[in-house]
Amino acid sequence: ETGVTQSPTHLIKTRGQQVTLRCSSQSGHNTVSWYQQALGQGPQFIFQYYREEENGRGNFPPRFSGLQFPNYSSELNVNALELDDSALYLCASSEEGTTEYFGPGTRLTVL
Amino acid sequence: QKEVEQDPGPLSVPEGAIVSLNCTYSNSAFQYFMWYRQYSRKGPELLMYTYSSGNKEDGRFTAQVDKSSKYISLFIRDSQPSDSATYLCATKRIGTASKLTFGTGTRLQVTL
Repeated sequence: ETGVTQSPTHLIKTRGQQVTLRCSSQSGHNTVSWYQQALGQGPQFIFQYYREEENGRGNFPPRFSGLQFPNYSSELNVNALELDDSALYLCASSEEGTTEYFGPGTRLTVL
Repeated sequence: QKEVEQDPGPLSVPEGAIVSLNCTYSNSAFQYFMWYRQYSRKGPELLMYTYSSGNKEDGRFTAQVDKSSKYISLFIRDSQPSDSATYLCATKRIGTASKLTFGTGTRLQVTL
C-alpha cells in the first residue's frame, strides 16, 4: 500500500507568480484535503475534494484553487503569490472523510 | 479565541520520563480527536485516534479525552530521544465534509 505522496519537495517563487502543487492519495482513499502550515503553527484547512468535487473550504481567498482527478490525485494552485503564502503545504487523504493521513508536504518560499 | 488551544512549549524532559501533552477545545460539535507527531520539516504522522471519552492505549502512548471538560491529553511513557518532535492535537466534527482543526503543536525535546 502506497502512502500519500507530494511533489515537489521544495519550491521557490517570487511574489506575483503562480504555483501548482501535486498530491497522490493513499490507495483506496477518495477524499483529499489541503492544509497550509506556517512556521510554528498548526496546519490550517484550505479545502477538501471528494470524488472530484469541492466539499468544503476554509478561510482562504479564491486565488487558492484546486482540482481532484478521477484517480483521486489532486492539485493545489495558488495565483498571485504573496510573501505570506510562504509555508508548508500539506495534502491529506482519507476514505469518505474518516481518519486523514498526511503526505510529507511541499515547502513553498515566496521571495 | 482559537477553537483548539495547545501550549506550544518547548517541553524538555529527560529520557525515561512520563510526558503529558494537553489541549482544550471550545466547540461541543467536535467528536473525533487525534494526536499527530511531526518531525522537523516533515508531514504529520497519525499517532492516536479516538471518538469517545476515556482512555485509549497503544504501546507507550495513551490518549485521554474528557468531553465534559473539553480536554484532551496524550501521555508518553518511558520517553525516548526519538520521541523528540512536535505533537499536534486535532479535532473534527462528524460528517464527510469535516475538516481537521489543529492546535498550534507542542515541541517536545527528550534529552539523554
